[in-house]
Amino acid sequence: NAGVTQTPKFQVLKTGQSMTLQCAQDMNHEYMSWYRQDPGMGLRLIHYSVGAGITDQGEVPNGYNVSRSTTEDFPLRLLSAAPSQTSVYFCAGGRASGELFFGEGSRLTVL
Amino acid sequence: GENVEQHPSTLSVQEGDSAVIKCTYSDSASNYFPWYKQELGKRPQLIIDIRSNVGEKKDQRIAVTLNKTAKHFSLHITETQPEDSAVYFCAASRGGATNKLIFGTGTLLAVQP
Repeated sequence: NAGVTQTPKFQVLKTGQSMTLQCAQDMNHEYMSWYRQDPGMGLRLIHYSVGAGITDQGEVPNGYNVSRSTTEDFPLRLLSAAPSQTSVYFCAGGRASGELFFGEGSRLTVL
Repeated sequence: GENVEQHPSTLSVQEGDSAVIKCTYSDSASNYFPWYKQELGKRPQLIIDIRSNVGEKKDQRIAVTLNKTAKHFSLHITETQPEDSAVYFCAASRGGATNKLIFGTGTLLAVQP
């Protein structure tokens, strides 16, 4: 099993551009989520999903959209990138027990 | 809003010494408290967790304690080794939702050989 796979690993955008961070999991996790990690601020929940067709907002959802058309995929969309969205993004799949399995992370820079 | 405070932000110990990291949470309904370890440039990985019906849990050199009354929980690492050097994050569930976590701001642990 590959686990949780994120692409791309690195991306540079200009302000106002849009992009999608891809996340796929082959662990049959019902729960998937997106976090952003910024220096001194830990991991903050952006959006999450408890199953196909169901998504909800986390702590910092503004500027991001998600969808969950299949159990395996959970893409994160930035519609109009801003410098404040410069961060490292982690996708995670989760078990009912609570353990999160993180992807390798995607480093995004918005100029 | 709900939050988790973590201290210290940095911790330096000598190899073989013990390390303790403390967290305080605000949501009285939180019932799940995991700890994640993140090595430099890597993804966070679960190292131990505890639920609200348990006061202490051990796994070899790692232990976690929980004081629900005070809303405190702590990570204890004994006989530290250089490979324990990493950033450690505590987290608390939002209410009973074990998959919705509020993370602390992290502790950079450096184990000096």
